Amino acid sequence: AQTVTQSQPEMSVQEAETVTLSCTYDTSENNYYLFWYKQPPSRQMILVIRQEAYKQQNATENRFSVNFQKAAKSFSLKISDSQLGDTAMYFCAFMKRPGANSKLTFGKGITLSVRP
Amino acid sequence: SQTIHQWPATLVQPVGSPLSLECTVEGTSNPNLYWYRQAAGRGLQLLFYSVGIGQISSEVPQNLSASRPQDRQFILSSKKLLLSDSGFYLCAWSVGLAGGSEQYFGPGTRLTVT
Repeated sequence: AQTVTQSQPEMSVQEAETVTLSCTYDTSENNYYLFWYKQPPSRQMILVIRQEAYKQQNATENRFSVNFQKAAKSFSLKISDSQLGDTAMYFCAFMKRPGANSKLTFGKGITLSVRP
Repeated sequence: SQTIHQWPATLVQPVGSPLSLECTVEGTSNPNLYWYRQAAGRGLQLLFYSVGIGQISSEVPQNLSASRPQDRQFILSSKKLLLSDSGFYLCAWSVGLAGGSEQYFGPGTRLTVT
């Protein structure tokens, strides 16, 4: 079974600075996807970024980028130029393979606070 | 574009009462549909998923059941609620067959069982 671990329950960052959120996972699969989801106070889950395990290049979406270390089973999220609207819970998630019965396995999440 | 709706947004129900939460998706056909539950301060746990009308797979044995009476409608039910059923329930969809890997979430329903 797959597990996703987010060991930091809370983090805080000054507006405009950079912050990195950590995530590790455990799997015996070779083909899988990794995701970061954001859950703001509204509680709507929003997809931030995804990474395919077979791609060596780290995914990037505007101010969000990941550091994917497949051998170490590590998948961290870097938020550059933090904004107040980035305040939210962030969940790391694993999917064994794309398809109907490929469920998302979530970590427990980390609460990020961006200070003005 | 695709949208996903859930209702009600908030629900307070006594122990032992029935439950029906509804999820509908617009703008796509034959989606895969999912029900998740999020306990306070925790990650999401998959409860049910469906690849088509009448096809339901359960991930966790519990007091809940799911049904898919129409292609883009997914219902979460219970005959008798327990206190432990309290939580935040999220519906999600993804592209059917081998289309894609992302799951897109609805706004959720906050259920409090008293």
